[in-house]
Amino acid sequence: DIVMTQSPDSLAVSLGERAAINCKSSQSVLYSSNNKNYLAWYQQKPGQSPKLLIYWASTRESGVPDRFSGSGSGTDFTLTISSLQAEDVAVYFCQQYYLPPYTFGQGTKLEIK
Amino acid sequence: EVQLVESGGGLVQPGGSLRLSCAASGFTVSSKYMSWVRQAPGRGLEWVSVIYSDDSTSSADSVKGRFTISRDNWKNTLNLQMNSLRAEDTAVYFCARAPMSSWYFDLWGRGTLVTVSS
Repeated sequence: DIVMTQSPDSLAVSLGERAAINCKSSQSVLYSSNNKNYLAWYQQKPGQSPKLLIYWASTRESGVPDRFSGSGSGTDFTLTISSLQAEDVAVYFCQQYYLPPYTFGQGTKLEIK
Repeated sequence: EVQLVESGGGLVQPGGSLRLSCAASGFTVSSKYMSWVRQAPGRGLEWVSVIYSDDSTSSADSVKGRFTISRDNWKNTLNLQMNSLRAEDTAVYFCARAPMSSWYFDLWGRGTLVTVSS
């Protein structure tokens, strides 16, 4: 199985500041035939189901604010929130969909400092 | 409105069975890849099972041989038959939709809680 490891486990950032969450996969999730990274990011607010933010490592889902961006390739990825808003308090998960089982990272809890 | 609504959760004894359903609206389950993902209380997300467009399936090792995913195209629902339940199966079970030929999940239900306890 591909193991997804996120860092940090929790993060406190001031409003308006930049937040960055890292995700590392135990093997590459880059498919060479189409040069796509099979990596997604989700946001989960308390009591809610996860919401898709980013897929193909850097493609923003429709309706997601442009302060959210994804980067990276191969085994190392980053979700960046350029200017933290109060409504961004949540747990963030990465997920690989390169191979089943489609594993998730353990989650990163983002709070306001 | 495009949505997924799960049902069928509840309290069950270890070794018991439960059947979850997920009603889809605004799209047809036969046109998408569909999956179940679970989340134990206070924990992260764990992918459980998938059903592909050709009705083939795949499941996590932790549930293989005990859980069966299926699809009812007439009712436009996704199902999960769970047998030989264990305490470690206690979780909120989410139904999730994936675009064809990709396995990220672009639509999630609100989940249904399954508690396995005596």
